[in-house]
Amino acid sequence: SAVISQKPSRDICQRGTSLTIQCQVDSQVTMMFWYRQQPGQSLTLIATANQGSEATYESGFVIDKFPISRPNLTFSTLTVSNMSPEDSSIYLCSLGQGSPDTQYFGPGTRLTVL
Amino acid sequence: GQNIDQPTEMTATEGAIVQINCTYQTSGFNGLFWYQQHAGEAPTFLSYNVLDGLEEKGRFSSFLSRSKGYSYLLLKELQMKDSASYLCAVDNYGQNFVFGPGTRLSVLP
Repeated sequence: SAVISQKPSRDICQRGTSLTIQCQVDSQVTMMFWYRQQPGQSLTLIATANQGSEATYESGFVIDKFPISRPNLTFSTLTVSNMSPEDSSIYLCSLGQGSPDTQYFGPGTRLTVL
Repeated sequence: GQNIDQPTEMTATEGAIVQINCTYQTSGFNGLFWYQQHAGEAPTFLSYNVLDGLEEKGRFSSFLSRSKGYSYLLLKELQMKDSASYLCAVDNYGQNFVFGPGTRLSVLP
């Protein structure tokens, strides 16, 4: 399976600031996904990022809060804007690969907002 | 709507067998996945079912009944390293994965 890396691995941020998380894949993929995992919770899909088109957001998530870029087939960024303590979570990027089409996850970015 | 249920926590003894259940109600179904997630790490893929029946992979097996909206993950010969959260997820078509809340398994010596 593809190798997925994320930067930063963790960060501590102040309320009201923004953080951009990078996701790099070692092979070209059409669709990349961004998930959030709040403390002690399961994974919730934020949005699907296709190269060359606008990201598709799930219910409860909006572009102004979580803008996403997908400039090429190996890279994507997720920005968490105007952060509040409620945004403290692990953010994971993933891709679908193989047969069956299985989700593979990056190592995650652990975000703490003070 | 989408709803996936799993027990919150389970405890078992090293060497034993444990069954983790998952029930689901989703608008679409294109397969059910089980993931293992150790604390502080990303989920890793364990197994996949799309047809009814049992799929076996070494110490891990997964069962699916589509008519009942039910799956289970069976872990045999438990080891301490199996202590982790186990997530079931439904592929709701269009690569839209819906994850269950996860079951935290503690394996005791």
